[in-house]
Amino acid sequence: DADVTQTPRNRITKTGKRIMLECSQTKGHDRMYWYRQDPGLGLRLIYYSFDVKDINKGEISDGYSVSRQAQAKFSLSLESAIPNQTALYFCATSEGGALNTEAFFGQGTRLTVV
Amino acid sequence: AQSVSQHNHHVILSEAASLELGCNYSYGGTVNLFWYVQYPGQHLQLLLKYFSGDPLVKGIKGFEAEFIKSKFSFNLRKPSVQWSDTAEYFCAVNLNPGFQKLVFGTGTRLLVSP
Repeated sequence: DADVTQTPRNRITKTGKRIMLECSQTKGHDRMYWYRQDPGLGLRLIYYSFDVKDINKGEISDGYSVSRQAQAKFSLSLESAIPNQTALYFCATSEGGALNTEAFFGQGTRLTVV
Repeated sequence: AQSVSQHNHHVILSEAASLELGCNYSYGGTVNLFWYVQYPGQHLQLLLKYFSGDPLVKGIKGFEAEFIKSKFSFNLRKPSVQWSDTAEYFCAVNLNPGFQKLVFGTGTRLLVSP
């Protein structure tokens, strides 16, 4: 089983709809992140969370919100989806408190807004 | 602003050719450096990482990278590529070790022809 699981894997939604992307992890990590990937732009950080009570905006948080329901769960919401939010979304986790650690990624959610 | 530059956006090689992908970052402090690979339709996987010590690091699948602090570079190399190395490669920098706010380059698409 994957350590970082994203659901759904693929989603097509209409402009203006609310949609939630979910991420759960079994690695026991404190830190969780949401990135979006666009062709030619690499990965950009949307939101990150150091623990359940600590949520922070990344570089492109406008139009998104998040919820850290538990240490293992971090969901990303698009309150009113728009076509330029069509992208591949990745959830990631890392170990909190460690100086040198790496991020572990989920398999991604491909979102299309029509 | 801190940034990560990958100079080659698309690279086409024949099998057995040598590979070098450039990565430069703009940040004067301590960094952790990573190369991730994304095979078609899959999530990001860690190829190799540099935290400290020997600047020549070896990763999986025969890849290696060299950290040159004076040049702010972390180039990825492989002596002889295979068709299965066809993928997109991302350089990433953690500008504040322990914070895990990864900054990604825009990626390099590698196509290896048989």
